[in-house]
Amino acid sequence: EIVMTQSPATLSVSPGERATLSCRASQSVSTNLAWYQQKPGQAPRLLIYGASTRATGIPARFSGSGSGTEFTLTISSLQSEDFAVYYCQQYSNWPYTFGQGTKLEIK
Amino acid sequence: EVQLVESGGGLVQPGGSLRLSCAASGFTFSRDWMHWVRQAPGKGLVWVSRINSDGSSTTYADSVKGRFTISRDNAQNTLYLQMNSLRAEDTAVYYCARDFLAALDPWGQGTLVTVSS
Repeated sequence: EIVMTQSPATLSVSPGERATLSCRASQSVSTNLAWYQQKPGQAPRLLIYGASTRATGIPARFSGSGSGTEFTLTISSLQSEDFAVYYCQQYSNWPYTFGQGTKLEIK
Repeated sequence: EVQLVESGGGLVQPGGSLRLSCAASGFTFSRDWMHWVRQAPGKGLVWVSRINSDGSSTTYADSVKGRFTISRDNAQNTLYLQMNSLRAEDTAVYYCARDFLAALDPWGQGTLVTVSS
């Protein structure tokens, strides 16, 4: 099973600033990597797939990068609605696995 | 609009059974793979199972293999998860999700399963 490790567990950032979230895979997943956003009481929402492709309707301030074992989600200028928990997920091998999440909170 | 609506959750005793349903609309259900993902209270996301478009191939997480069965009815645009021999550690919100180029999009709103005596 591929283990996905996200860092940091919690990130405190002020609105308007940039946030950088990291995700590491225990073995290469190529670019078979997705990012999801989850707000309290809501289902997760797909943000990025293929490591760097934004899903439909996702604002351009969200960007993904990386390949192999190291990945990054960057939010260029944080808006109030961006404070949430973010998960990475690999879909290179069964079983699909998620990171433990990064909570993005208001500083 | 693509929509997924889960139902069937509730309180069940350890060792009991429950069947979850996921009603799909807004897309050609019979063409897409589907997944179940769960989230224990206050915890992260855990992938549970997937099924291919015609139901001929399934995959399960080790933690549910032999106890859970995923299936689908393409005529009714409905995905199912039959859960047997339920344990306390199966307590979670269960989400169904469409396979979108192997990522998961969209997700349903989830249905809560509580296993407790």
